[in-house]
Amino acid sequence: GQSLEQPSEVTAVEGAIVQINCTYQTSGFYGLSWYQQHDGGAPTFLSYNALDGLEETGRFSSFLSRSDSYGYLLLQELQMKDSASYFCAVRFSGGYNKLIFGAGTRLAVHP
Amino acid sequence: DAGITQSPRHKVTETGTPVTLRCHQTENHRYMYWYRQDPGHGLRLIHYSYGVKDTDKGEVSDGYSVSRSKTEDFLLTLESATSSQTSVYFCAISESGGDGYTFGSGTRLTVV
Repeated sequence: GQSLEQPSEVTAVEGAIVQINCTYQTSGFYGLSWYQQHDGGAPTFLSYNALDGLEETGRFSSFLSRSDSYGYLLLQELQMKDSASYFCAVRFSGGYNKLIFGAGTRLAVHP
Repeated sequence: DAGITQSPRHKVTETGTPVTLRCHQTENHRYMYWYRQDPGHGLRLIHYSYGVKDTDKGEVSDGYSVSRSKTEDFLLTLESATSSQTSVYFCAISESGGDGYTFGSGTRLTVV
């Protein structure tokens, strides 16, 4: 089967950097995605890593190590609007672009 | 300009009644998915579709059925609603591997 582990909560201050880790166990791994969800809203796509290394998109970066079954989302220059839940999701073999999601990390950004 | 819409947005129903949730897309994407979201569980896949009339079960499919008679519509049916099916239901679409999902706004279902 597939499983993902990520911290349930993270707290940080405005302007800081925070890293949200995700470890996974899956057969036939294709890639790791990250999604952001504000309270009462729908998840929105942030990034996708299929290969090892760091992908940068503005203030957000995502990293993958396939050999360690590990990835992280790095948020820089934190803003209050970054307070949200963040989900890692594994795309695994079996086709149809199915994703299995972690339970989510709730990020609280304080002034 | 939303490419994906869910209806209804909120619904309260009684135990034992059938319920159908609708997902409609205007993006002509091949893949459509139904997830449920509950505290502490993240998003769990109920059913998915990879084309018209092509559907399959996800990890929590018991008590649910789906149908996709047109590319743009994916229906989720609870044949006989139970209180354990109280949840927020999200529909998502994608076109190909590596592309992110686009989620609908969700349906909050309460079974009393």
